[in-house]
Amino acid sequence: AQSVTQPDIHITVSEGASLELRCNYSYGATPYLFWYVQSPGQGLQLLLKYFSGDTLVQGIKGFEAEFKRSQSSFNLRKPSVHWSDAAEYFCAVGGYILTGGGNKLTFGTGTQLKVEL
Amino acid sequence: DGGITQSPKYLFRKEGQNVTLSCEQNLNHDAMYWYRQDPGQGLRLIYYSQIVNDFQKGDIAEGYSVSREKKESFPLTVTSAQKNPTAFYLCASMPRRGSSYNEQFFGPGTRLTVL
Repeated sequence: AQSVTQPDIHITVSEGASLELRCNYSYGATPYLFWYVQSPGQGLQLLLKYFSGDTLVQGIKGFEAEFKRSQSSFNLRKPSVHWSDAAEYFCAVGGYILTGGGNKLTFGTGTQLKVEL
Repeated sequence: DGGITQSPKYLFRKEGQNVTLSCEQNLNHDAMYWYRQDPGQGLRLIYYSQIVNDFQKGDIAEGYSVSREKKESFPLTVTSAQKNPTAFYLCASMPRRGSSYNEQFFGPGTRLTVL
């Protein structure tokens, strides 16, 4: 079964500082990996995705993530955080549903980012 | 503009009542999904549908029902059998079904509160 672990429930960084959010996944085959961001009371917006190819993926809003197969990780990074980045971030792994068919996303429990001015 | 709409944004229900949450998409996507979000638990899959007139149970389908009579619509009914329905509900869609993988697009969500 596929699973995702986000070990940090809350992270606080100062504006302008660098950021790294951790994500570890478990999946038996080549994973499809995603990072989504959610502002309070809103839906999820895709930041970036990894399907194959270059293991360093660039996304929107200056975010990037690196896929490391040996560590089963897909950590999200940003060199300089802005106050508007305060939100909840979800890592997800995509896979196929064996019974019933179709595709399924399994989400981590999220990391709440607070930005200090 | 293409997108996913969910209504209402806020919904209040008395215990013992059934309520229906609306999800509509004009992206021409085949697959649609319903998730439940609780604080500290991430998103959990309730039901999904790959094509019209077909849907499958997700991880937490008990107490919920769905229909898929039109490609663009995937309403979710929260029945009185759902023991703890207060949560944030998110609808999503995906461009293709089958072997080709794609990202899911999410609606803005409906917050359901049981009084």
